Amino acid sequence: EVQLLESGGGLVQPGGSLRLSCAASGFSFTTYWMSWVRQAPGKGLEWVASVKQDGSERFYVDSVKGRFVVSSDNTKNSLYLEMNSLRAEDTAVYYCVRGYSGPSHWGQGTLVTVSS
Amino acid sequence: DVVMTQSPLSLPVTLGQPASISCRSSQSLVYSDGNTYLNWFLQRPGQSPRRLIYKVSNRDSGVPDRFSGSGSGSDFTLKISRVEAEDVGVYYCMQGTHWPRTFGQGTKVEIK
Repeated sequence: EVQLLESGGGLVQPGGSLRLSCAASGFSFTTYWMSWVRQAPGKGLEWVASVKQDGSERFYVDSVKGRFVVSSDNTKNSLYLEMNSLRAEDTAVYYCVRGYSGPSHWGQGTLVTVSS
Repeated sequence: DVVMTQSPLSLPVTLGQPASISCRSSQSLVYSDGNTYLNWFLQRPGQSPRRLIYKVSNRDSGVPDRFSGSGSGSDFTLKISRVEAEDVGVYYCMQGTHWPRTFGQGTKVEIK
């Protein structure tokens, strides 16, 4: 069974940093692109970033370019999202998802709140 | 960026009756490999989204056959042949052809 378990969310002040992690299991991690999708409270879904299996390609939505870094560690079957210079508008549930052209599996999400 | 426009945004439905959601993209979603990466997701209240349909018309494992997807180019439709109580939630279309990936605004389906 495919499982994606996010962690690392919490309350952070504007301008601060946070690192999200996603532990993957139940599938061959090195076979898939992995992505992050977020959902602000009461709002719709927004794709954030994707990383290729070997880390050679990464894509970001414009609003996070230069502030967020997506990475993966194939030895740990884990996906990460390093978030810097956080803004109030980054407040959202962040989902770890498998795939990049149409995510087939989603984690339960981790809440990031940016507030003073 | 490719803009995904769903309609309607709210859809009250009667149990056992059909329902249909439209999704239009601002650009063609046909990729260079010939595939069209248009997906449909359902997010039930309090849950993570779940993919229902991928590449326009392919149902995911475990998705009831009352759900069907159709369309081409930039015009797509999700149909539910007979709505059941468990179909309540917000439906999103998403394109996986162009970067950045983009979602529609969501269509909230509720029972009348």
